[in-house]
Amino acid sequence: RKEVEQDPGPFNVPEGATVAFNCTYSNSASQSFFWYRQDCRKEPKLLMSVYSSGNEDGRFTAQLNRASQYISLLIRDSKLSDSATYLCVVAGGGADGLTFGKGTHLIIQP
Amino acid sequence: ETGVTQSPTHLIKTRGQQVTLRCSSQSGHNTVSWYQQALGQGPQFIFQYYREEENGRGNFPPRFSGLQFPNYSSELNVNALELDDSALYLCASSRPGTEKMNTEAFFGQGTRLTVV
Repeated sequence: RKEVEQDPGPFNVPEGATVAFNCTYSNSASQSFFWYRQDCRKEPKLLMSVYSSGNEDGRFTAQLNRASQYISLLIRDSKLSDSATYLCVVAGGGADGLTFGKGTHLIIQP
Repeated sequence: ETGVTQSPTHLIKTRGQQVTLRCSSQSGHNTVSWYQQALGQGPQFIFQYYREEENGRGNFPPRFSGLQFPNYSSELNVNALELDDSALYLCASSRPGTEKMNTEAFFGQGTRLTVV
């Protein structure tokens, strides 16, 4: 079983729509959770950390369900510039490093 | 801009050769980690350095080694290059986490290594 699983997509979504991504993780000891975005041939960039209580940053909302080992990202009012690969990331703490999913490819269409 | 810089940006090496990649961390960050990202995959954790010592390692063979210097910059060395080592190598810097929590990591632009 893969440690972090994501639907690779691509998700083709019209501009202005709401889109949601999900991710599941296998290590129940995971303590830290993040979403990164990665543009083609560029480095991953931190989008947001994910907290147990859920958190929102503008058009982006992240939720964590520890019982189901499930993380979600919701993007409202999607923009053309949101087109990217979204990487779900979990970590066990300390020096374990980050465990990345393969990413979900999002294409926003005009 | 994250303030994490890597050099070189691109590199072509021959199978069997050795390569050294370099990374300067963001100001105030004393933890550096390295990742390998093959095409179509997520980044894979190679190892992490804190206070000039390796304090965490992923599932990579010993021919992947590294250093961290007193100014927190770091090097990744790969010996006996194989064709499968062709990938984007990413350096990330962060503040030290706790035993249970990782802090946010910020990535450099990466070094694209091609082994022929």
